[in-house]
Amino acid sequence: GQQLNQSPQSMFIQEGEDVSMNCTSSSIFNTWLWYKQDPGEGPVLLIALYKAGELTSNGRLTAQFGITRKDSFLNISASIPSDVGIYFCAGRITQGGSEKLVFGKGTKLTVNP
Amino acid sequence: SAVISQKPSRDICQRGTSLTIQCQVDSQVTMMFWYRQQPGQSLTLIATANQGSEATYESGFVIDKFPISRPNLTFSTLTVSNMSPEDSSIYLCSVDSGYTFGSGTRLTVV
Repeated sequence: GQQLNQSPQSMFIQEGEDVSMNCTSSSIFNTWLWYKQDPGEGPVLLIALYKAGELTSNGRLTAQFGITRKDSFLNISASIPSDVGIYFCAGRITQGGSEKLVFGKGTKLTVNP
Repeated sequence: SAVISQKPSRDICQRGTSLTIQCQVDSQVTMMFWYRQQPGQSLTLIATANQGSEATYESGFVIDKFPISRPNLTFSTLTVSNMSPEDSSIYLCSVDSGYTFGSGTRLTVV
């Protein structure tokens, strides 16, 4: 089945630093999504990407849909302590007439003040 | 976007028992999705629930173990049956094609 390889698995950074994480796959996706999950909560959608090559920003967050449709990255600029959490990528595919999401394994971000 | 209320938020259950998780949405939605998140892992789709039809289960998940109800367009339940410690996970419902998730149910089976 489809798999997403998300890296890095974890990151430890200083407040103010920029962060980059990415997801790759051998499969083609028609949508890429990036989520943040805080402890005890469900994932919250940060950015959705719909077209190959698309570059989208949401405040300090920037994400891109890879040209090959098999990868995506998320950048966080000028990190702050509340950026701490687990970030997941997800790709949407159409399978058997229905759409489903495939999730990466997550990147755990720690920001030191 | 829709707002989801998921209950219970957490539970500790004895092995061999069953737990029913409820998901209430503040607007009508066609499809609702149930996910499992094992400790320290990513999210795996269990099944898709459409109102008025049988849920569609993903490979590795069966109706006898995870029966789902979808009585109307704003509500769904997932039951984890005959639980074992391996069922200890966070269970999440989702709507809006995956854009919106509930806060999850953290299940511990002892």
